[in-house]
Amino acid sequence: DIQMTQSPSTLSAVVGDRVTITCRASQSMSSWLAWYQQKPGKAPKLLIYKASSLESGVPSRFRGSGFGTEFTLTINSLQPDDFATYYCQQYDSFPLTFGGGTKVEIK
Amino acid sequence: QLQLQESGPGLAKPSETLSLKCTVSGGSISSSGSYWDWIRQPPGKGLEWIGNVFYSGSTNYNPSLKSRVTISVDTSKNQFSLRLTSVTAADTAVYYCAARKPNAAVNCWGQGALVTVSS
Repeated sequence: DIQMTQSPSTLSAVVGDRVTITCRASQSMSSWLAWYQQKPGKAPKLLIYKASSLESGVPSRFRGSGFGTEFTLTINSLQPDDFATYYCQQYDSFPLTFGGGTKVEIK
Repeated sequence: QLQLQESGPGLAKPSETLSLKCTVSGGSISSSGSYWDWIRQPPGKGLEWIGNVFYSGSTNYNPSLKSRVTISVDTSKNQFSLRLTSVTAADTAVYYCAARKPNAAVNCWGQGALVTVSS
């Protein structure tokens, strides 16, 4: 199994900040890596697929990058609607696995 | 536009079987070439992939749950289902059904169904 380790688990920020979330894979993998945003009581929403491709309708302030074992999600100029929990997920191989999540909260 | 809706009992007793269905609308479960996934999330915790069924009927399961899980598809009803046997309190979670293409991220989720395991 590919284990995904996400950091930090919590991140405090203010509107306008640039924030970066990291996801490390336990072994080198292809770019089949996704990032999701989840708000309380809601299903996750796809933001980034294939490590760096922006899902249709997602604001361009969200950017994904990385390869191999290290991947990052960057949110440029954090907006009030961006306070949420973010998960990475690898779909390179079964079983699909998620990172533990990063909660972005208001500082 | 594809839409998914989970249904089933919100309460299961310890040692019994949890059963959920996911109804697909806006597309055919048998012709879309998609994986139909189940993912769960215990209260306050992260996401765990349970397994999936391909439109052809072939399945993949998380090894941590494989001995207790069955996922199947009913093309006549445009539904797929989850059975989880011998449940314990640790299986209490919101269960999501989801859809994705091969080598693609999950881009369609149901709203989620909370199942509580309690006597």
